Amino acid sequence: DAGVIQSPRHEVTEMGQEVTLRCKPISGHDYLFWYRQTMMRGLELLIYFNNNVPIDDSGMPEDRFSAKMPNASFSTLKIQPSEPRDSAVYFCASSQTGGRQPQHFGDGTRLSIL
Amino acid sequence: QKEVEQNSGPLSVPEGAIASLNCTYSDRGSQSFFWYRQYSGKSPELIMFIYSNGDKEDGRFTAQLNKASQYVSLLIRDSQPSDSATYLCAVIPSGTYKYIFGTGTRLKVLA
Repeated sequence: DAGVIQSPRHEVTEMGQEVTLRCKPISGHDYLFWYRQTMMRGLELLIYFNNNVPIDDSGMPEDRFSAKMPNASFSTLKIQPSEPRDSAVYFCASSQTGGRQPQHFGDGTRLSIL
Repeated sequence: QKEVEQNSGPLSVPEGAIASLNCTYSDRGSQSFFWYRQYSGKSPELIMFIYSNGDKEDGRFTAQLNKASQYVSLLIRDSQPSDSATYLCAVIPSGTYKYIFGTGTRLKVLA
């Protein structure tokens, strides 16, 4: 079975540009999580969805960040406008129904904002 | 604040030895516990999960949970240089479905 698929794998862009990160969860998983990882702050949960509905977005750093899940097989994380401090690795993960199931991570998107 | 704590390491063990990684958590109502391995530049990879008190074994890996003392451990038997990585502990506290991650323990297995 295919795992969680993220795109792009790497993104380099200039400050002020819009950035869109994409995620396809594992088929049949109804929880989807977006994380950010930096050396300083470790792995941070940004937002998670259940059945395409955002449940907890308390980790979204500010209004420049937004996330959507228009259907069960696709989610986006958007940053507009981007800033150098947004540079990090962004991971998407998904898990099966039942809530407290193991999460499976995608390969991540390494984002560099110049 | 519901927290998960790990010693950042590095924890160095010789090849063939048992590596013991520990994690404590603050929310007594937590019910789900996970161990992930993360190689440098890669994504977290699930190794083990445990829900009940006691031990759970999978190959060279054993997860141990003690809810009364609020800790979960990961033992790696016959450690190999390929086990060198950062090990992340994750806990799902009561009343939520989201992980709280520890900061990870870096393990170095010396050949």
